Amino acid sequence: EVQLVESGGGLVQPGRSLKLSCAASGFTFSNYGMHWIRQAPTKGLEWVASISPSGGSTYYRDSVKGRFTISRDNAKSTLYLQMDSLRSEDTATYYCATDGGTDYYYVGWGQGVMVTVSS
Amino acid sequence: DIQMTQSPASLSASLEEIVTITCQASQDIGNWLAWYQQKPGKSPQLLIYGATSLADGVPSRFSGSRSGTQYSLKISRLQVEDIGIYYCQQASSAPDTFGAGTKLELK
Repeated sequence: EVQLVESGGGLVQPGRSLKLSCAASGFTFSNYGMHWIRQAPTKGLEWVASISPSGGSTYYRDSVKGRFTISRDNAKSTLYLQMDSLRSEDTATYYCATDGGTDYYYVGWGQGVMVTVSS
Repeated sequence: DIQMTQSPASLSASLEEIVTITCQASQDIGNWLAWYQQKPGKSPQLLIYGATSLADGVPSRFSGSRSGTQYSLKISRLQVEDIGIYYCQQASSAPDTFGAGTKLELK
């Protein structure tokens, strides 16, 4: 069974940094693309970033390019999201998700971690 | 970015009723569409992918269809455990985009 457990969220001031982690188990982590998707309070879902199985390719939505960095450690089956220069509009629950090899759909999701950017 | 216009925004239905939710894509996305269910306080779960394929473990009362650039999710006989918010997602063109969601409640 796919298990994804996010951690590292919290309250942070605008302009500061935060690093999220997502520990994976129940599947061969190194075989699948991984993604971060966020959901602002009472809002819908928004894709944030993706990384290929090897980590060699990364993709970001325009609003986080240059501020967020997605990475992975396949030996530790862990996904990361380094978030720098945080803004109030980054306030959201962040979910990590696996595409299970589909490349296009999110077949497994974590429980989410809340990030609040406020002074 | 491709816009996904989902309707209705909210829906109240009775147990055993047939429920239909639609998503209109702003351009051709082929069959690159998925539906997710998000129960209260939980993370989203994949229901349908490829517009019509049922994800593993999803009850057969859920089905997806396509007519041109309009996509539909149908629940054939609404159950209590189906209450939540439903989202469509297009995976045809980066960035992936989601519909705004349909909140499904019991009447």
